[in-house]
Amino acid sequence: KAGVTQTPRYLIKTRGQQVTLSCSPISGHRSVSWYQQTPGQGLQFLFEYFSETQRNKGNFPGRFSGRQFSNSRSEMNVSTLELGDSALYLCASSLGDNRPGYTEAFFGQGTRLTVV
Amino acid sequence: DAKTTQPTSMDCAEGRAANLPCNHSTISGNEYVYWYRQIHSQGPQYIIHGLKNNETNEMASLIITEDRKSSTLILPHATLRDTAVYYCIVRMLNRDDKIIFGKGTRLHILP
Repeated sequence: KAGVTQTPRYLIKTRGQQVTLSCSPISGHRSVSWYQQTPGQGLQFLFEYFSETQRNKGNFPGRFSGRQFSNSRSEMNVSTLELGDSALYLCASSLGDNRPGYTEAFFGQGTRLTVV
Repeated sequence: DAKTTQPTSMDCAEGRAANLPCNHSTISGNEYVYWYRQIHSQGPQYIIHGLKNNETNEMASLIITEDRKSSTLILPHATLRDTAVYYCIVRMLNRDDKIIFGKGTRLHILP
């Protein structure tokens, strides 16, 4: 079965612009989480969506937002880009069922965003 | 979520067992131990998880001490493709899917 698909894989944007990243989860998965990875801060949780509702949010400014559609696909948006937003953005999907054996998160390959 | 402590880096000879330790001395009774790894420039990959019993799957074995304060991930026959950063994570299952990653252990498999 197809894995988690993130598009685009690479992106270059200018400071002040906005960007939208897309994530298609594994079929049947209802939870989609987003993470930011930088060399300095490592992997940091951004937010999680389950059944079109944001279920949890990390400590990122309001410029970072997301949404989930009825087919579980998710998008994240970053407005007013800053140089420090350059990072690998990873999406993970899971069943969202918090029972043992159903909790593994599967990650996509990520979108590498460069802000210049 | 409980915090974990892992060595920054480790070396292992190809073909030998790689034993990656993790300390989670503040783990609570309903928290599970999860392991993920991240090969360079790829997304993290789920490896295995457990509560208190030892677990084994096609990728690895997980040994959790009786007091649950530490665990060891074992890759039985390491190959060059196992070179990656390995993350040990503790999670409760009655919450959402937020994963708190630490710094992990950078495992180098030596030919």
